[in-house]
Amino acid sequence: AQTVTQSQPEMSVQEAETVTLSCTYDTSESDYYLFWYKQPPSRQMILVIRQEAYKQQNATENRFSVNFQKAAKSFSLKISDSQLGDAAMYFCAYPYSGAGSYQLTFGKGTKLSVIP
Amino acid sequence: ETGVTQSPTHLIKTRGQQVTLRCSSQSGHNTVSWYQQALGQGPQFIFQYYREEENGRGNFPPRFSGLQFPNYSSELNVNALELDDSALYLCASSLAAGPSTDTQYFGPGTRLTVL
Repeated sequence: AQTVTQSQPEMSVQEAETVTLSCTYDTSESDYYLFWYKQPPSRQMILVIRQEAYKQQNATENRFSVNFQKAAKSFSLKISDSQLGDAAMYFCAYPYSGAGSYQLTFGKGTKLSVIP
Repeated sequence: ETGVTQSPTHLIKTRGQQVTLRCSSQSGHNTVSWYQQALGQGPQFIFQYYREEENGRGNFPPRFSGLQFPNYSSELNVNALELDDSALYLCASSLAAGPSTDTQYFGPGTRLTVL
């Protein structure tokens, strides 16, 4: 089965602190990308960061970084210096191939609350 | 560069009716994917169109159909609406259909309620 698992339905963090959201996935491929998307109450899915599996260096975008453990099939998102605007649903996604296309398969999401 | 837009924002329909949702892809993007997101869940892949042809389908029945037009716009049509079709419908555009490396950019979604 093609699965992406986010084991933390909800997380909270104090403003200015650091929080890590977990994600695991299942694949037999060796070369692929992984994505984290943010969905605020406005509903629009916004790309936060992406990781290339063949790169050993973890991706970083400003306050957002990933901890990519390829052998463990783990892809966690670290948010540093959390801000009120970071409050949202966060989805991990893997592009599985099927029937001629690459379909993003999402986890169930983690709801992040930021406490002032 | 314009982003991905969707219309309408909200829609209320009755069971058995038909609905058309619209999406305008980012300029230059040849691929559009549609997703259904039930409340409290992650998006589920419906299908993808590449250069006006269906390029893959998820586990959705044939009453879910689509069209893609040369002007980067696309439609999702749902016939014989059921109560379980109530969801947020998202479209996402990307530059190409082939590589798994291509990043999908999402629109704001259409919230469909079926009564």
